[in-house]
Amino acid sequence: GAVVSQHPSRVICKSGTSVKIECRSLDFQATTMFWYRQFPKQSLMLMATSNEGSKATYEQGVEKDKFLINHASLTLSTLTVTSAHPEDSSFYICSAARGSRMDEQFFGPGTRLTVL
Amino acid sequence: AQTVTQSQPEMSVQEAETVTLSCTYDTSESDYYLFWYKQPPSRQMILVIRQEAYKQQNATENRFSVNFQKAAKSFSLKISDSQLGDAAMYFCAYRSLDTGNQFYFGTGTSLTVIP
Repeated sequence: GAVVSQHPSRVICKSGTSVKIECRSLDFQATTMFWYRQFPKQSLMLMATSNEGSKATYEQGVEKDKFLINHASLTLSTLTVTSAHPEDSSFYICSAARGSRMDEQFFGPGTRLTVL
Repeated sequence: AQTVTQSQPEMSVQEAETVTLSCTYDTSESDYYLFWYKQPPSRQMILVIRQEAYKQQNATENRFSVNFQKAAKSFSLKISDSQLGDAAMYFCAYRSLDTGNQFYFGTGTSLTVIP
């Protein structure tokens, strides 16, 4: 149990286009999902916290208009990178917290975004 | 925001030997969780072990154990009988219970297991 999927696993797009990444908890309900960004050989940097039915909370320095997050249901959160540029190329990872205590996060396999 | 420090960017261990990865953190909170996650080349994050700050007993999971020193804000991971499959990036993580339940990750330690 506790499987989190991400789609797509890899995407290449042209500069100026928008890309949507989906994060799904397959076998549990996740009231909270997190979006991370990871540069090569670096740590995970929290971008935003997504709560079902409410607006996402963004970390300092993350542009909310650039990285649109929607958490429409207890099993799905989406991250849309709007007007993508090459500097947005990165590995994006979502995680879903289970239970009221949220003492564990289950991570998705990540999405590799390359902006040409 | 809390900070998590892993001072060893790279470590190596001989197969079947024991290795310890270090982690320190900075917080003013009294209750929180600490984690060690493993990220193999597949990039999938895998939970290795978890420690609740209010528990004094060190957590153990088979070959993995921690040395949790709350006063020193230290949380090291010991891997016993190292196996080739243990080779990966290891991230120490802190989870706040007071500020939105966010996770804060260290910079990671790349572990190489030598056959």
